[in-house]
Amino acid sequence: DGGITQSPKYLFRKEGQNVTLSCEQNLNHDAMYWYRQDPGQGLRLIYYSQIVNDFQKGDIAEGYSVSREKKESFPLTVTSAQKNPTAFYLCASSIRGTGASNQPQHFGDGTRLSIL
Amino acid sequence: AQKITQTQPGMFVQEKEAVTLDCTYDTSDPSYGLFWYKQPSSGEMIFLIYQGSYDQQNATEGRYSLNFQKARKSANLVISASQLGDSAMYFCAMREGTSYDKVIFGPGTSLSVIP
Repeated sequence: DGGITQSPKYLFRKEGQNVTLSCEQNLNHDAMYWYRQDPGQGLRLIYYSQIVNDFQKGDIAEGYSVSREKKESFPLTVTSAQKNPTAFYLCASSIRGTGASNQPQHFGDGTRLSIL
Repeated sequence: AQKITQTQPGMFVQEKEAVTLDCTYDTSDPSYGLFWYKQPSSGEMIFLIYQGSYDQQNATEGRYSLNFQKARKSANLVISASQLGDSAMYFCAMREGTSYDKVIFGPGTSLSVIP
């Protein structure tokens, strides 16, 4: 079955540590996204990528970094510069271009990150 | 800048009744798409319904329908015959522009269905 796999499901970060969240998709989608969700809140866009080796900052990119070396993979690194990283992180993908206007995003099951 | 507002942080509805969840959006682009997603307590995101800015008719999908008022920039979700399983967070989202690649979400509405 095609879909998006996020790992790990739960992640703990120590002070001053960088951690990387994995996102892999086998849907052959060009566009991939990372969102942060705080308890009881909406999804805020961190980064998105339209194509391999290219990505754009979203609304809350500070303290995060991404790479897109392969179409299938879009890992998110939460750096030590992100002082309040505790949140639920969702990865999504979709087709892109003019044919994408009515296409919903496909989401992974999320990673819950906490500070130790 | 694009922005989505959902003014109802929490809503209650009696089982089997209909409920309307509000969504207003702000965009200067004439071409955009609006989506509604459901997020149960498990955290998964479930796509419910889509409305395009050029669609002439309001979208419907089973018990879900959209009350789309383009001039008012609103796209309210109507759930008919509410069920206990409808209890969840509901998010309105928008794609805009020629590439449609950037997708932003509203803050969400928490719906509780009462038996």
